[in-house]
Amino acid sequence: TQLLEQSPQFLSIQEGENLTVYCNSSSVFSSLQWYRQEPGEGPVLLVTVVTGGEVKKLKRLTFQFGDARKDSSLHITAAQPGDTGLYLCAGAGIGNTPLVFGKGTRLSVIA
Amino acid sequence: KAGVTQTPRYLIKTRGQQVTLSCSPISGHRSVSWYQQTPGQGLQFLFEYFSETQRNKGNFPGRFSGRQFSNSRSEMNVSTLELGDSALYLCASSSWGQGNTGELFFGEGSRLTVL
Repeated sequence: TQLLEQSPQFLSIQEGENLTVYCNSSSVFSSLQWYRQEPGEGPVLLVTVVTGGEVKKLKRLTFQFGDARKDSSLHITAAQPGDTGLYLCAGAGIGNTPLVFGKGTRLSVIA
Repeated sequence: KAGVTQTPRYLIKTRGQQVTLSCSPISGHRSVSWYQQTPGQGLQFLFEYFSETQRNKGNFPGRFSGRQFSNSRSEMNVSTLELGDSALYLCASSSWGQGNTGELFFGEGSRLTVL
């Protein structure tokens, strides 16, 4: 069974600080997705990374896929209150296997 | 275009009862997946339907079942409810289904409370 471990589980920071969230596994994934979920809503896709070592930027968010495609990180620069939410990573296996989700990192950015 | 619609949004049941949840995917999407979300376990995969066929199934007991209709709308049913079934049930639709790098579009979920 493929598992994704996310750390930290909870993170509370001041507006303007930087932070990194990690997503680790002992399994190899064909691709990895990051979602953000806000209270009362379903998760919304932020990015998909496919190639080992790939780096993608989305405004102040930087996503990296590990060289061995077993881990990923999400770095947020100058966090804002609007970044508050639950960040979920999800790994895709081979073929039509379902996405495996990590348990998430709950981020709170205080103004 | 309209997003994924789940009904009902909230419901309260008692132990032993059964419940049916409904999901209308984005128009044109043929895959519907169901997830159970709890604070302790996160998102756990229940099952995926693609063109009316169950393509994948997670590790849940037989009390959890689902189906998909010809218009791609899906329902999931939980029989003989237990306290531990209290959770947010999320439906996600996609064009080509799980296993691709495509995006999953989630609904807002149905929050089930079992008393």
